[in-house]
Amino acid sequence: DAGITQSPRHKVTETGTPVTLRCHQTENHRYMYWYRQDPGHGLRLIHYSYGVKDTDKGEVSDGYSVSRSKTEDFLLTLESATSSQTSVYFCAIGTSGNLAYNEQFFGPGTRLTVL
Amino acid sequence: AQKVTQAQTEISVVEKEDVTLDCVYETRDTTYYLFWYKQPPSGELVFLIRRNSFDEQNEISGRYSWNFQKSTSSFNFTITASQVVDSAVYFCALSEEGTNAGKSTFGDGTTLTVKP
Repeated sequence: DAGITQSPRHKVTETGTPVTLRCHQTENHRYMYWYRQDPGHGLRLIHYSYGVKDTDKGEVSDGYSVSRSKTEDFLLTLESATSSQTSVYFCAIGTSGNLAYNEQFFGPGTRLTVL
Repeated sequence: AQKVTQAQTEISVVEKEDVTLDCVYETRDTTYYLFWYKQPPSGELVFLIRRNSFDEQNEISGRYSWNFQKSTSSFNFTITASQVVDSAVYFCALSEEGTNAGKSTFGDGTTLTVKP
């Protein structure tokens, strides 16, 4: 158990509303990631973090922002949700000391529906 | 740009059959890492194995084995004597060193169904 929780686990929201998803870890790992999973697309990286206040964009970052003010928390914000952002969102942590070498351990996921 | 292709979208086998899941990757880096993850019907994602580009030795873990061949840019996963509990979506992933470090690329996954 890598000690990763995500909240909320399920959310239904309306187009145009802001949404924040939270990822929390209990083990002080340096690397954290946000992915989205859609049918036929596998997992696609949205943003990742390599330390407090250190983040970078992934493959599908448009429409998303992140913040990491504490080691244990990595927040994903949809400033103005759209129906195309309906997805399952997974947070992950990287447990080794090398950004590329990291095996990733995933949270349970958040199912977001944007109406 | 890095890319991972899992050409088999779905595979169905009968219990006790052997099954191989294919993974083909593309990268320009000489140093990179390959991974397999499992996503059972319950939805969680589970890390299975990591391989680095300098280690082409095959690996065996119980009924699971992995065949890494740089010459064909493949990292295939074989399950021997499959069981119903192996039913899951399996993802292959690639991570490069250098400027793309941290930007893992996943394949689209192969859904394996093992029938009793």
